[in-house]
Amino acid sequence: GESVGLHLPTLSVQEGDNSIINCAYSNSASDYFIWYKQESGKGPQFIIDIRSNMDKRQGQRVTVLLNKTVKHLSLQIAATQPGDSAVYFCAENAGGTSYGKLTFGQGTILTVHP
Amino acid sequence: NAGVMQNPRHLVRRRGQEARLRCSPMKGHSHVYWYRQLPEEGLKFMVYLQKENIIDESGMPKERFSAEFPKEGPSILRIQQVVRGDSAAYFCASSPRGDGSQTLYFGPGTRLTVT
Repeated sequence: GESVGLHLPTLSVQEGDNSIINCAYSNSASDYFIWYKQESGKGPQFIIDIRSNMDKRQGQRVTVLLNKTVKHLSLQIAATQPGDSAVYFCAENAGGTSYGKLTFGQGTILTVHP
Repeated sequence: NAGVMQNPRHLVRRRGQEARLRCSPMKGHSHVYWYRQLPEEGLKFMVYLQKENIIDESGMPKERFSAEFPKEGPSILRIQQVVRGDSAAYFCASSPRGDGSQTLYFGPGTRLTVT
């Protein structure tokens, strides 16, 4: 079946650097994408989302970019902090439903070194 | 405003026993979802419920698994006759009433270990 996948399973950065986490998706019908952060032993925490009619959306220290031509999604974290260390998942709306039936990617482990 | 609550946080069961996982959605939320996460994998959709109704159970195994969200009380995910392969983290998520939102707010999860 179609799925969401990540290019890089691990990413290590220095505190203060910018981080970029990438995600490829294969379902061209998907119209909604979300990034979640999951810390060890906790549930996924919503970071930012974007709809397919947009190509960029900014939040506090985070930016999501969507390239529908190549089916690519990225999460940029500015001035990365040790507290940003976690697993980051991209997720897409599965099957074009209007509710929260999401397909999650494998995850990228982000480690921020002080 | 309390977030999504799940209990127990950790559950150990022997093969063949039953596991009951509970989820209380955020206040004002009447849409509940259950997801399963195997070690080092992403979350997989299991079921979507509204009060007293199962809307989409396409991710639920055909046997041994059931879910409910009664008019009163928490949502329950029930696994009968557990096997080792059921060991995983089970996450509940909710979204607001009447919203049908695709943005989900997750609970802390129940980590089920089958011995």
